[in-house]
Amino acid sequence: RKEVEQDPGPFNVPEGATVAFNCTYSNSASQSFFWYRQDCRKEPKLLMSVYSSGNEDGRFTAQLNRASQYISLLIRDSKLSDSATYLCVVNIGTGNQFYFGTGTSLTVIP
Amino acid sequence: EAGVAQSPRYKIIEKRQSVAFWCNPISGHATLYWYQQILGQGPKLLIQFQNNGVVDDSQLPKDRFSAERLKGVDSTLKIQPAKLEDSAVYLCASSLVPGRYGTQYFGPGTRLTVL
Repeated sequence: RKEVEQDPGPFNVPEGATVAFNCTYSNSASQSFFWYRQDCRKEPKLLMSVYSSGNEDGRFTAQLNRASQYISLLIRDSKLSDSATYLCVVNIGTGNQFYFGTGTSLTVIP
Repeated sequence: EAGVAQSPRYKIIEKRQSVAFWCNPISGHATLYWYQQILGQGPKLLIQFQNNGVVDDSQLPKDRFSAERLKGVDSTLKIQPAKLEDSAVYLCASSLVPGRYGTQYFGPGTRLTVL
């Protein structure tokens, strides 16, 4: 079983829409969670860190549900520039190991 | 502030040949990571260094892959001999501190094609 699983999409949404991605993780010892953004043929860049139940940064909200072992990312008022692949990342603290999901592809349509 | 530098950006080799990639992390970053990203997948951690010591290399195919960070700054990743399934983007990342409190900054990657 994979450490981190994401719906690969693709998600195609109109500008201004709200879209949500889910990510599940298998190891209950996972301590920290992140969302990275990766543009086509570019390197991943940190979007948000999720250390407790969740946090918000402008149009982006990340939530963590430890009981069900999933993390979600909500994007409100989607912009064309939000088009990218969103990678869910889990850190298993004991070994400082980072596991990336396969990514969810988002295209925002004019 | 300069970012993580990697070279070469692209490399095409034939199977059974050898190849080496170079990474220069952000100045002052003690932690360095090498990832392999196969098309359509997320990055997979190959090896993690803290200064010049290996923290985790559990997913590094040690029969053909090797990495070093001799002076605790630059790092090289080598594949010898290469296989077709090694075709991927090799990403280097660095962080100021290790573990979950260290934001990882990625370099642009080296795109390897093995023919």
